[in-house]
Amino acid sequence: DTEVTQTPKHLVMGMTNKKSLKCEQHMGHRAMYWYKQKAKKPPELMFVYSYEKLSINESVPSRFSPECPNSSLLNLHLHALQPEDSALYLCASSQGGWNRGETQYFGPGTRLLVL
Amino acid sequence: GQQLNQSPQSMFIQEGEDVSMNCTSSSIFNTWLWYKQDPGEGPVLLIALYKAGELTSNGRLTAQFGITRKDSFLNISASIPSDVGIYFCAGAPSNNNAGNMLTFGGGTRLMVKP
Repeated sequence: DTEVTQTPKHLVMGMTNKKSLKCEQHMGHRAMYWYKQKAKKPPELMFVYSYEKLSINESVPSRFSPECPNSSLLNLHLHALQPEDSALYLCASSQGGWNRGETQYFGPGTRLLVL
Repeated sequence: GQQLNQSPQSMFIQEGEDVSMNCTSSSIFNTWLWYKQDPGEGPVLLIALYKAGELTSNGRLTAQFGITRKDSFLNISASIPSDVGIYFCAGAPSNNNAGNMLTFGGGTRLMVKP
């Protein structure tokens, strides 16, 4: 099973709203990732959690706040977003460790529209 | 950030034709990954390559890890309409820790004419 799940599938929010995106995997993976993807572009890395600790923050604005409550769950809290933040938000996970640990499995994404 | 050179950017082919796309890098990678993405969905892993020179097939798909570790190609044989989508290559460095950054190609948009 290589499934990563994400909720919600779609989200529309105003610039003053607070919302959260959720991601879950049950593959025992120890690394989890948030990506942002604009149309016709490759995914852009936002955050990496390794063993439940934030290991990489790609200079993401503070209006995006990640959280890793446990090894299976990853959240992305959104507050005071801008219209340009509208995009497909992807979660991914990887096993970690030697050799095949770098292989990342993506979830279906959350399509976010900021009005 | 760095992006792999993926070509072609787009292809419009006839159903039944074979397709070839490739990625090149100035850096060495220890893992090459090929993904397919349908509109509004997440990338789906097609093939993962872990050794230089490795040739791996998945149904009508074949991918190779270049011997220099700086390139990879993906071939699709006898294309069908459901092959339509964007194909991304991605490279990963070696590691012994969890959490690594993938470097992505710009994508190849494949369109298949029935």
